[in-house]
Amino acid sequence: NAGVTQTPKFRVLKTGQSMTLLCAQDMNHEYMYWYRQDPGMGLRLIHYSVGEGTTAKGEVPDGYNVSRLKKQNFLLGLESAAPSQTSVYFCASSYGLAAFFGPGTRLTVL
Amino acid sequence: TQLLEQSPQFLSIQEGENLTVYCNSSSVFSSLQWYRQEPGEGPVLLVTVVTGGEVKKLKRLTFQFGDARKDSSLHITAAQPGDTGLYLCAEPRNPTDKLIFGTGTRLQVFP
Repeated sequence: NAGVTQTPKFRVLKTGQSMTLLCAQDMNHEYMYWYRQDPGMGLRLIHYSVGEGTTAKGEVPDGYNVSRLKKQNFLLGLESAAPSQTSVYFCASSYGLAAFFGPGTRLTVL
Repeated sequence: TQLLEQSPQFLSIQEGENLTVYCNSSSVFSSLQWYRQEPGEGPVLLVTVVTGGEVKKLKRLTFQFGDARKDSSLHITAAQPGDTGLYLCAEPRNPTDKLIFGTGTRLQVFP
């Protein structure tokens, strides 16, 4: 039982490049989320999903897209990376009021 | 967006000391959670409080929810180096349980 896993763990991009962050959970949770964490700002919600095939915008969705084609996977895409997207990205899944977070992806955009 | 304010922002103490960190809001919480995050890892849920005035204990950690459900505190007794980390409060928002986080209290406990 791996819980929530994220790949990759680290990535460096140049401005304008694209990439996809993968989140996988093996707990059969319906709800999944993508957050970003920046110094002094806590975690902020980017996008979330309440089930397979559904997605919705969070607090800071601009510049990101998501897809939930399978219940266990939630993908976060950056179409044209910007330095302002340098951050640590966390995926989470939840059941009831219990949220489980992945270990994070540290992304640097030069 | 409702803001969750945490204080203090940083706390550096010696092993064996007691400490309290706070989480406040201008609005009433439906419920409140506390998480601990260690370097290089994701947040881990410590506790959920739901009822005004509720007190929950987790070993040396005591969590209290204010009577009016607009504030919460986390008290650590006899802190240990293993308590070092970032402590975050968060409010789950119905119906999707998405979390609104505070800015966190970074705790360093020295041996």
